[in-house]
Amino acid sequence: DTAVSQTPKYLVTQMGNDKSIKCEQNLGHDTMYWYKQDSKKFLKIMFSYNNKELIINETVPNRFSPKSPDKAHLNLHINSLELGDSAVYFCASSLRTRTDTQYFGPGTRLTVL
Amino acid sequence: QQPVQSPQAVILREGEDAVINCSSSKALYSVHWYRQKHGEAPVFLMILLKGGEQKGHDKISASFNEKKQQSSLYLTASQLSYSGTYFCGTELINSGGSNYKLTFGKGTLLTVNP
Repeated sequence: DTAVSQTPKYLVTQMGNDKSIKCEQNLGHDTMYWYKQDSKKFLKIMFSYNNKELIINETVPNRFSPKSPDKAHLNLHINSLELGDSAVYFCASSLRTRTDTQYFGPGTRLTVL
Repeated sequence: QQPVQSPQAVILREGEDAVINCSSSKALYSVHWYRQKHGEAPVFLMILLKGGEQKGHDKISASFNEKKQQSSLYLTASQLSYSGTYFCGTELINSGGSNYKLTFGKGTLLTVNP
């Protein structure tokens, strides 16, 4: 069974489009995250949800909007895509918010043309 | 707040040892180590909490020096499977609310050759 899954795995789109990435975890965890990994492999947190409540919102453009319909799902919607949004987006989950192992999904490689 | 990792890259022959360092300018509550292979997701290795502990996991171990806010990852008798990018993630001691997060270093690329 896949612990943390993301769809799609690859996303190629034109500038200005709107796209969504979906994430699901079957680990029963309370906390979920979105990370962005750029071309230099820098892994940076974007958002974190605990029990469907937003608890971390880093300095991310408001074109990015996360949504957590329930504890097991965290989606990321991106409006008006820009070239600089090209990156690998990882979803992760952990049992608690603090000092806990984070389990990462396989990643979504977003390419904006 | 981003921790500093060193070295940026290291190349080993199978069986050799390596040390990867992670240091912070802020007081830390915990240090997490992850390994990421090319094209894959980061995978958890271990967590070290303040109190200056050392942990081991097969031939990979780590230490956390609370006074210096430094952690080191030790890879002993490296195997080909150890190749990948190693990230340390740090959690601040004075974290609350939105500060509950891991801030990752830039990574250390480890290559183990036969």
